[in-house]
Amino acid sequence: EVQLVESGGGLVQPGRSLRLSCAASGFTFDDYAMHWVRQAPGKGLEWVSGISWNSGSIGYADSVKGRFTISRDNAKNSLYLQMNSLRAEDTALYYCAKDQLFSIFSTFDIWGQGTMVTVSS
Amino acid sequence: QSALTQPPSASGSPGQSVTISCTGTSSDVGGYNYVSWFQQHPGKAPKLMIYELIKRPSGVPDRFSGSKSGNTASLTVSGLQAEDEADYYCSSYAGSNNLVFGGGTKLTVL
Repeated sequence: EVQLVESGGGLVQPGRSLRLSCAASGFTFDDYAMHWVRQAPGKGLEWVSGISWNSGSIGYADSVKGRFTISRDNAKNSLYLQMNSLRAEDTALYYCAKDQLFSIFSTFDIWGQGTMVTVSS
Repeated sequence: QSALTQPPSASGSPGQSVTISCTGTSSDVGGYNYVSWFQQHPGKAPKLMIYELIKRPSGVPDRFSGSKSGNTASLTVSGLQAEDEADYYCSSYAGSNNLVFGGGTKLTVL
């Protein structure tokens, strides 16, 4: 069964850091680009960041550029999101999502259930 | 990286057809065929319904179809059913390793 399981969310104070992880199973992880997508409570979807199969291509939304870092470990079938200088507006459910292609960012065909990040003092 | 524009709401009666639009620019929707549509029921993760403008993943009913004209993509749901009531989001590749979503459309089956 193809599966993505996120972890690492929680309550964090503004300005602090948090690292999200996504464990993939049921498919050849290093054949595909991967993404993080977030959804603030009651709001729409926002693409956060994406990474190609070999980490050669990486992209970030303007809202997180310079603060968040995406990475992957193909040996561990895992995707990560290092979030620094967190702000209240980063509060959201963070989804890990699989692309259909290995290099160009095209779509999200498999989604995890998400991990909640709450930034508050 | 401006969000794509979708109508906040759409509605139709069972058996009818409804079309949801997704308007971008020549830098995203108009420039690439990597346009997708997602369905999201309350409390659930999004589900891919259409990718690369017109393709349907296995298991998605052929009542769902996609198209594009210029900078506007559209999702048409034919033969509306109660279970189609959900939020729908479009997304597009926007060049330079960027993706962008629409603001979402709440589809109500009357």
